[in-house]
Amino acid sequence: QVQLQESGPGLVKPSETLSLTCAVSGGSISGYYWSWIRQPPGKGLEWIGYIFFSGGTDYNPSLKSRVTISVDTSKKNFSLKLSSVTAADTAVYYCARSSLTTFTAWGQGTLVTVAS
Amino acid sequence: EIVLTQSPATLSLSPGERATLSCRASHSVTSSYLAWYQQKPGQAPRLLIYAASSRATGIPDRFSGSGSGTDFTLTISRLEPEDFALYYCQLYGNSPLFTFGQGTKLEIK
Repeated sequence: QVQLQESGPGLVKPSETLSLTCAVSGGSISGYYWSWIRQPPGKGLEWIGYIFFSGGTDYNPSLKSRVTISVDTSKKNFSLKLSSVTAADTAVYYCARSSLTTFTAWGQGTLVTVAS
Repeated sequence: EIVLTQSPATLSLSPGERATLSCRASHSVTSSYLAWYQQKPGQAPRLLIYAASSRATGIPDRFSGSGSGTDFTLTISRLEPEDFALYYCQLYGNSPLFTFGQGTKLEIK
């Protein structure tokens, strides 16, 4: 059974770049889409973007100018970079796997707080 | 952009009762692209229903999904204590590529 695990700093300063990595274990990274989804405290879910295992990407237009998602198939992980962060970017960030239309596996989530 | 509106925001029921959760799309959508998730406090969402009415692996048959066009429903036939949680509907295929409803909180009455 595939497992996903997010890692990265829990605190990021305003205007800096948030960087997270999701390690994939127990399954193949090939053939799937790998997404980042976030959830501000007490609020709903927002899809940030995804990368196909071969490298194609699609991003939420509301975040597109600040987001980069990359994949390292040899290390079986994928990463998120979100630039110029503000307090509004404070959220639990989840990585997730989809076979196109639905998210069939999720990481446990990691809280990232934007504060000085 | 297609907006998903879930109702009610909060649903208060007792164990053993039937729960009916609604997800309404602002425009007609393809049923194949509508999913439901359950989220418990401190946990990631879990896929319950995909393609509007297909149960995901391991999901009990008390959970069922239905609907088409703009109106979709998640029904829990007989509530168990572990079913009290947040529920989200999700749509694929527009801009942004994935959209979530704002959620329905199912709480114990």
